[in-house]
Amino acid sequence: GEDVEQSLFLSVREGDSSVINCTYTDSSSTYLYWYKQEPGAGLQLLTYIFSNMDMKQDQRLTVLLNKKDKHLSLRIADTQTGDSAIYFCAESIFHSGNTPLVFGKGTRLSVIA
Amino acid sequence: DTAVSQTPKYLVTQMGNDKSIKCEQNLGHDTMYWYKQDSKKFLKIMFSYNNKELIINETVPNRFSPKSPDKAHLNLHINSLELGDSAVYFCASSQDRGLAGLGVPFFGPGTRLTVL
Repeated sequence: GEDVEQSLFLSVREGDSSVINCTYTDSSSTYLYWYKQEPGAGLQLLTYIFSNMDMKQDQRLTVLLNKKDKHLSLRIADTQTGDSAIYFCAESIFHSGNTPLVFGKGTRLSVIA
Repeated sequence: DTAVSQTPKYLVTQMGNDKSIKCEQNLGHDTMYWYKQDSKKFLKIMFSYNNKELIINETVPNRFSPKSPDKAHLNLHINSLELGDSAVYFCASSQDRGLAGLGVPFFGPGTRLTVL
């Protein structure tokens, strides 16, 4: 079955880089996503990567995908206090023509000023 | 303009009541979903509808019944509410192209349901 694993907590100092890691099990994953959820808020799509890519960069965000090891990471450069949130890794599984997401349990990022 | 909207944002009700949550998307997507986020922030798919047809029904009690009057709306009706139903319910939509690929899912703001 599908499973997505993330560490639950990460604490970094303001200005440092944050690296949030994720592993997944389903090799038929097509897209892999990172969502951000601030307290009391909904899910904000940060970025996504197609499974045939190794890396994607978008401003302060860098996504690295190691398909062989089924490992995905999100790097946030120059982390700010506004980056404090829960970050969810999710994989998209082809299922009867639909693509529901399987989410990890989320990594709570705390940024210390 | 809100892409995926849900009403209400907050819902507080007594055990045993029946309630509905509404979802609408104006993106022209043909697939809509309901996800549940529990108190530990774990997110799981509940239902998926494609062009008003139920495609995925994960292990969800029969008390939960999704209804899709048209492809822009997917409502969630819950009968005989229980304490364990307290959670945040997220609606989402995407444009699925089957074997041709998928569309990025867009999420609504969530409905926080509290059952007393």
